[in-house]
Amino acid sequence: AQKITQTQPGMFVQEKEAVTLDCTYDTSDPSYGLFWYKQPSSGEMIFLIYQGSYDQQNATEGRYSLNFQKARKSANLVISASQLGDSAMYFCAMREGEGETSGSRLTFGEGTQLTVNP
Amino acid sequence: DGGITQSPKYLFRKEGQNVTLSCEQNLNHDAMYWYRQDPGQGLRLIYYSQIVNDFQKGDIAEGYSVSREKKESFPLTVTSAQKNPTAFYLCASSMRTQYNQPQHFGDGTRLSIL
Repeated sequence: AQKITQTQPGMFVQEKEAVTLDCTYDTSDPSYGLFWYKQPSSGEMIFLIYQGSYDQQNATEGRYSLNFQKARKSANLVISASQLGDSAMYFCAMREGEGETSGSRLTFGEGTQLTVNP
Repeated sequence: DGGITQSPKYLFRKEGQNVTLSCEQNLNHDAMYWYRQDPGQGLRLIYYSQIVNDFQKGDIAEGYSVSREKKESFPLTVTSAQKNPTAFYLCASSMRTQYNQPQHFGDGTRLSIL
């Protein structure tokens, strides 16, 4: 089974509108973390936002927020007031456990290509 | 400035040749990682190292080798046993026990077969 599933290969949004990128995950470990990264066409990976499994509130970072629904095992990224520069590939990733064996290795989803239209 | 440096940016491999991708970090991170990314796909873990002189296989280690002789350096060798090496390779680092901190990535190396 896929540990991280991003069901939207491509998404389109109008500039200044909000957009939600979906991410569902699968783990039996009670301690885990979820990360979102942005990858522009140049290839670098830019960290956006983090949500821990024990965090009581949804994470927010500027225009980015995370809609974390633990029971449904989903961690959707919400981008408000989209900008042309938001056009990129977006990846959801999960860290499982907090131990010597797992360290901080991540499992990535397949990504969603977001296009912001003027 | 602190960061991760990958070199070269582009690399070409001939049939039967081993090539080595460089990854250096000055963030004082103890854990380092190598990922492979194929076009339009996500990142897959090749190898990772949590401390010097120790490393573990990731999900797609066959045809690759690594070493971790220094904390700052984690080179990846793509051997001739890797029959489909054409991909984008990303190196990352993090603090091993700071679980809420993200991995930091280099700018990547694009490897192609001649």
